[in-house]
Amino acid sequence: GAVVSQHPSRVICKSGTSVKIECRSLDFQATTMFWYRQFPKKSLMLMATSNEGSKATYEQGVEKDKFLINHASLTLSTLTVTSAHPEDSSFYICSARGVYSTDTQYFGPGTRLTVL
Amino acid sequence: AQSVTQLGSHVSVSEGALVLLRCNYSSSVPPYLFWYVQYPNQGLQLLLKYTTGATLVKGINGFEAEFKKSETSFHLTKPSAHMSDAAEYFCAVTPSGAGSYQLTFGKGTKLSVIP
Repeated sequence: GAVVSQHPSRVICKSGTSVKIECRSLDFQATTMFWYRQFPKKSLMLMATSNEGSKATYEQGVEKDKFLINHASLTLSTLTVTSAHPEDSSFYICSARGVYSTDTQYFGPGTRLTVL
Repeated sequence: AQSVTQLGSHVSVSEGALVLLRCNYSSSVPPYLFWYVQYPNQGLQLLLKYTTGATLVKGINGFEAEFKKSETSFHLTKPSAHMSDAAEYFCAVTPSGAGSYQLTFGKGTKLSVIP
């Protein structure tokens, strides 16, 4: 149980284009989803927290207009990187906190974004 | 506010030897503590967690950790390392009680297992 999927696993795009990453909780309802960014050989940096049906809460220094987060249902959250640039290249990981197991975050497999 | 310190960014052990990964935390309220493992190019997998109750918690793959409040520690151990244990390990803390359960991660410890 507590499986989180992400799609796509890898994406390569040209500079200036937008990329959407999906995060789904497959076997539980997620009241809260989190988006992280991980740089090579570094720890995870929390980008934003989203609750179903509400606007996401962004961490300091994260551009809201660049990283659009939508949490439209209890099983799906999306992160859209708008007008991507090479410095946005990174490993993006989502996690979900369930309705019942509220103290634990379950992580997706991550999405490797490369912006050319 | 919370913080996590993982001592040793890289730990090497021989196959069959004891694994000890150190984690110390700082928290203004009673903490919930977690260990996650990350294999290359993958997400994080929950190894074990401490919320309340027994301070010695057992997780998957033979790992266990002990919450020591007096030492503000939550070290991860495994009696006998296996080659498949080679990965990055993250300790994380979140404040107990109602809230957003945002995790604060340590910087990670890369475990290498020598045959």
